[in-house]
Amino acid sequence: QSVLTQPPSASGTPGQRVTISCSGSSSNIDGNAVNWYQQFPGTAPKLLVYNDNQRPSGVPDRFSGSKSGTSASLIISGLQSDDEADYYCSAWDDSVIGYVFGPGTKVTVL
Amino acid sequence: QLQLQESGPGLVKPSATLSLTCSVSGDSINSSSHYWGWIRQPPGGGLEWIGSIYYSGNSYYNPSLKSRLILSLDTSENQFSLRLRSLTAADTAVYYCARELVTMYVFDMWGQGTLVTVSS
Repeated sequence: QSVLTQPPSASGTPGQRVTISCSGSSSNIDGNAVNWYQQFPGTAPKLLVYNDNQRPSGVPDRFSGSKSGTSASLIISGLQSDDEADYYCSAWDDSVIGYVFGPGTKVTVL
Repeated sequence: QLQLQESGPGLVKPSATLSLTCSVSGDSINSSSHYWGWIRQPPGGGLEWIGSIYYSGNSYYNPSLKSRLILSLDTSENQFSLRLRSLTAADTAVYYCARELVTMYVFDMWGQGTLVTVSS
C-alpha cells in the first residue's frame, strides 16, 4: 500500500491534455517538494519534474507540475505517442523520514 | 557526463546477503552537494526507496528495511555499496542507484538498474 495515491491508468488522443493526480498527506506533499519520474518499459526512471513545478534541462515544456495542499498533478499538454510510459510521483515524508513513491500511472496514447 | 553503474549478482539464495555496488563516473561521491541512494522495483511493481548515504558516511534508511540494511561508500574508488541480509523472495527486484540532490530532495540521475532474483 503506497503512501501516495495515483490512478493506475490515464489515456488520451494525440494533442490532448492529460492530467495525473497524486494524493498524499500533510507529512509528505503538503510541505515538501513533489517530484515526477517518467519510466519506459525496461529502462530506469527519468526525472521529469522536480520541486513541484520545475523541469530539468531537456524536458519538453508540455510537461508541467502543480501542487495544492496535499495533492499534486502532472499535466501533459499536447500528448504525443512518445509519452506512453509509466509516471511516478514522489516526495519526502516527514513521518517515514524517507522518500515515498506513488504506485505509478500508466499513460496510453489512443 | 555523470554515469552510475550497478554491479552485483543476479541470483542470490534465500536467507543470504545481497551486496551491490554503484560505480560513479563524471562526478565525485566526495561532494557535499549530493547524497547517493538506492531504489528498487519488483517485477511489474512500483518504486521503493531503500536508503541514501552522504559523503561523510551519514546515512538514512527505509524503516521497513533498516534492520537488514547497511550502506557504505568508498571514496577512493568513487563507489557506494548496499548490503541487504536475510533475503526472501520479496526482495526480488531491479535495484537502481541514483544521485540525490541535497537541497532539492530529488533523485536527478539514475543508473540503468540491475535485476536481483532471490531463489534457491
